[in-house]
Amino acid sequence: AQTVTQSQPEMSVQEAETVTLSCTYDTSESDYYLFWYKQPPSRQMILVIRQEAYKQQNATENRFSVNFQKAAKSFSLKISDSQLGDAAMYFCAYRFRNTGNQFYFGTGTSLTVIP
Amino acid sequence: DTAVSQTPKYLVTQMGNDKSIKCEQNLGHDTMYWYKQDSKKFLKIMFSYNNKELIINETVPNRFSPKSPDKAHLNLHINSLELGDSAVYFCASSQVQPNEKLFFGSGTQLSVL
Repeated sequence: AQTVTQSQPEMSVQEAETVTLSCTYDTSESDYYLFWYKQPPSRQMILVIRQEAYKQQNATENRFSVNFQKAAKSFSLKISDSQLGDAAMYFCAYRFRNTGNQFYFGTGTSLTVIP
Repeated sequence: DTAVSQTPKYLVTQMGNDKSIKCEQNLGHDTMYWYKQDSKKFLKIMFSYNNKELIINETVPNRFSPKSPDKAHLNLHINSLELGDSAVYFCASSQVQPNEKLFFGSGTQLSVL
C-alpha cells in the first residue's frame, strides 16, 4: 500500500525562527514526484514546493526548502524565517511519474507561528 | 480567471436531501478529482476521471455519483444526505503528462443538519 506519514500532528515555531516538518512515505516505485501543500484558514490548498525523485538536488522556494532522502523515503520541509502567514496545515504528498493519476496525501501537520 | 472553480462554496441542507456540487477547470487538464476533507483535516480521494472516464473510485457510498459531461467539468451529486457527509469537498485537476501538480478548487463546505 502507498502511504504517507506525517508524524507531527501539531508544531509551533517562534516568528523569525526555523521549523522542520517531517514526512516519510512508503512506495516500491522509484520514479515519482513529491509535494508539500499548505492549507491556511481560508482552506485554499496551495502548492509550497515540488521535488522530482530522480533529482538529487533539494528543491528550494524562497524561505521553503526540502531535505529529500530517497533511500530513507523521507521528505521534510524546512521553513526559514517563519512568518505569521505561514500558520497553516501542511500536507505532504506524492504521485508516480509514469502512472500518475493518484496523489497520496499525508494526514497533515498543523503549524502555529507564535509572534 | 480561476483555474479550478467549484460552486457553491457553502452548502447547508437537511438530512435526506439531494444536492450537487459543480466543478470546472480551465487549465486544459485531462484528469479531475474529488476529495473529501473531514473534520480532522484528513484528505481522502473519492473519485478521479481521466478524459471523462472514471479511473479511481474509492470506497464511497453509492449515494455519491460523479458526472463528467466533458473533460473540463466534474460534478458531484449526493443523494439522501446523511450527517456523516458533512465535510469540505475539494475538486482538483491535474495533467498526467507532462506530470503536473494538483490544482485545487476553493472547496465546498457541506453541512448536513
